[in-house]
Amino acid sequence: EAGVAQSPRYKIIEKRQSVAFWCNPISGHATLYWYQQILGQGPKLLIQFQNNGVVDDSQLPKDRFSAERLKGVDSTLKIQPAKLEDSAVYLCASSFDGRGNSPLHFGNGTRLTVT
Amino acid sequence: AQKVTQAQTEISVVEKEDVTLDCVYETRDTTYYLFWYKQPPSGELVFLIRRNSFDEQNEISGRYSWNFQKSTSSFNFTITASQVVDSAVYFCALSDFSSGSARQLTFGSGTQLTVLP
Repeated sequence: EAGVAQSPRYKIIEKRQSVAFWCNPISGHATLYWYQQILGQGPKLLIQFQNNGVVDDSQLPKDRFSAERLKGVDSTLKIQPAKLEDSAVYLCASSFDGRGNSPLHFGNGTRLTVT
Repeated sequence: AQKVTQAQTEISVVEKEDVTLDCVYETRDTTYYLFWYKQPPSGELVFLIRRNSFDEQNEISGRYSWNFQKSTSSFNFTITASQVVDSAVYFCALSDFSSGSARQLTFGSGTQLTVLP
């Protein structure tokens, strides 16, 4: 089966600019996650979708980050305006369901550098 | 307090040595799940194993084995006869309800394993 697809692979922007990342989960997976991984740290959950509804966005900095999954399949994560501390790898993952016992399947991530 | 603690930041071993990666977790849930993921230099997180809180049997898969001890809240990972290809960052993760209504997967900070030829 095809894995989780993410694009772009790399992105370099200046602070205060905006950026968007795209994710296509594994077909049939109802739950989609966006994680932020800062260098040297473990991934941190930003937002979790169940189909096209938000299940948990408690750690999403909503003043600058937004995400959507309009048709319950693809998802877009946006940062506007970007700050230096947003430099990280943004990982998208999907799972068959969101009950917590299904393994998450991760994409290769988008490495964002904010200068 | 950290929910998932991986105290070993970096470990170096010589090929064919055995190595154990430690993981200690904290949760108030009675039903929870523990995971190990591998992150090679390519960056993609690869699922290795899942355990639920009611199954304390140790598991072996080839050169990999896992020791789950509820009494000490630990879920340690051992690689036997390590190989250079095992070099990666290994993450332990906990799935529980944390402070919300949805299960959340929380990762530890990872252990960088380097296997030298």
